Amino acid sequence: EAQVTQNPRYLITVTGKKLTVTCSQNMNHEYMSWYRQDPGLGLRQIYYSMNVEVTDKGDVPEGYKVSRKEKRNFPLILESPSPNQTSLYFCASREATNEKLFFGSGTQLSVL
Amino acid sequence: QKEVEQNSGPLSVPEGAIASLNCTYSDRVSQSFFWYRQYSGKSPELIMSIYSNGDKEDGRFTAQLNKASQYVSLLIRDSQPSDSATYLCAVNVNDMRFGAGTRLTVKP
Repeated sequence: EAQVTQNPRYLITVTGKKLTVTCSQNMNHEYMSWYRQDPGLGLRQIYYSMNVEVTDKGDVPEGYKVSRKEKRNFPLILESPSPNQTSLYFCASREATNEKLFFGSGTQLSVL
Repeated sequence: QKEVEQNSGPLSVPEGAIASLNCTYSDRVSQSFFWYRQYSGKSPELIMSIYSNGDKEDGRFTAQLNKASQYVSLLIRDSQPSDSATYLCAVNVNDMRFGAGTRLTVKP
């Protein structure tokens, strides 16, 4: 089954404790992206990647890191999480020439 | 001004009615427009895309685009309780830009 897999689904952590949210897609998509979703603000892009070893900042990159060492994986790293990073996070992917985004099931992160 | 703006709602319609969801965008060079549906606790899924002025119909859904007015809308005919969800408008402007979404409730 074609899908984007995110883990974990729920995560509660404390301020300053490094964490990684994993994202993997099995559709051989070139493009991958991370979004955060907050009430009243919609989906805001954090980082995106056009292909392996190519990443770029989105609209709200502060406090986040990403890497794209393999085509299928695009982890999101919070080196020192803060409470304002409490949010619902979505990973998404698509083909290079197709605008349709496929979303993962989301990660609800709470930073205490 | 936000790049993509939607009425946050909530919008409530009775079953069988037409639900009308609206979206405006700020960048005139935008060429691609999308509607995503997001059920509570789930991820967004693409339901409609539109690229040319006018209407595009797919079953009970009709997307309408007016580039001169920078306006895109989604009509849902014969609304069903299963249509209750948040609808996200998205515009491709140097990558996808999403509105905040409109929550729709269809009451039986």
